[in-house]
Amino acid sequence: QVQLQESGPGLVNPSGTLSLICDVSGDSINSDYYWTWVRQPPGKGLEWIGEMSHGGSPTYNPSLKSRLSISVDESKNQFSLNLSSVTAGDTAVYYCARAGFNSYGMDVWGQGTSVTVSS
Amino acid sequence: SSELTQDPRVSVALGQTVRITCQGDSLRKYYVSWYQQKPGQAPKLVMYGKNFRPSGIPDRFSGSRSGSTASLTITGAQGEDEADYYCHSRDITATYRVFGGGTKLTVL
Repeated sequence: QVQLQESGPGLVNPSGTLSLICDVSGDSINSDYYWTWVRQPPGKGLEWIGEMSHGGSPTYNPSLKSRLSISVDESKNQFSLNLSSVTAGDTAVYYCARAGFNSYGMDVWGQGTSVTVSS
Repeated sequence: SSELTQDPRVSVALGQTVRITCQGDSLRKYYVSWYQQKPGQAPKLVMYGKNFRPSGIPDRFSGSRSGSTASLTITGAQGEDEADYYCHSRDITATYRVFGGGTKLTVL
């Protein structure tokens, strides 16, 4: 059974960098999937952050692109998100997810991790 | 603003049929996937591709597309279907992906 688990600090200072890791178990990060980050601000809808596949280039939400980096670590079977220059507007629950190449759909999700940007 | 437009709220009587729609120009070219989210839970994939249901999703859920509008239909809605539903697809330039604003479904 494939499982994803997010980890990272729950509190980040304004203007700092938000760094999260998604551990993948039950599947190889080298499999043909899009490894994806999604976030949800409190009381609001889902926002697609970006994705990366093994051997491919990352694709980012244009509204976050200048501050965003997504990478894959094959040796640890995990992928990560780094979002710089954060503000209170980046406060959200952050989810990692897996999406298939063919007939795209995010079929496996992490439980989500809450991140608050505050001093 | 989202490039995929959903009605914010929809209600349905128990056992009746409800259609949740998602409108966007990109849907003329790209399929949509649909996600169900209940309070405090991660989203769950309920439909994807042309009309595929993941394992474990009841067959009362179905999907369709006409022009720039995609629909998720629940035939015989149950109480456990009360949730927020989000559509998701590519943007019109196919350079990134977007979610619709979400539809809160109430089962009366």
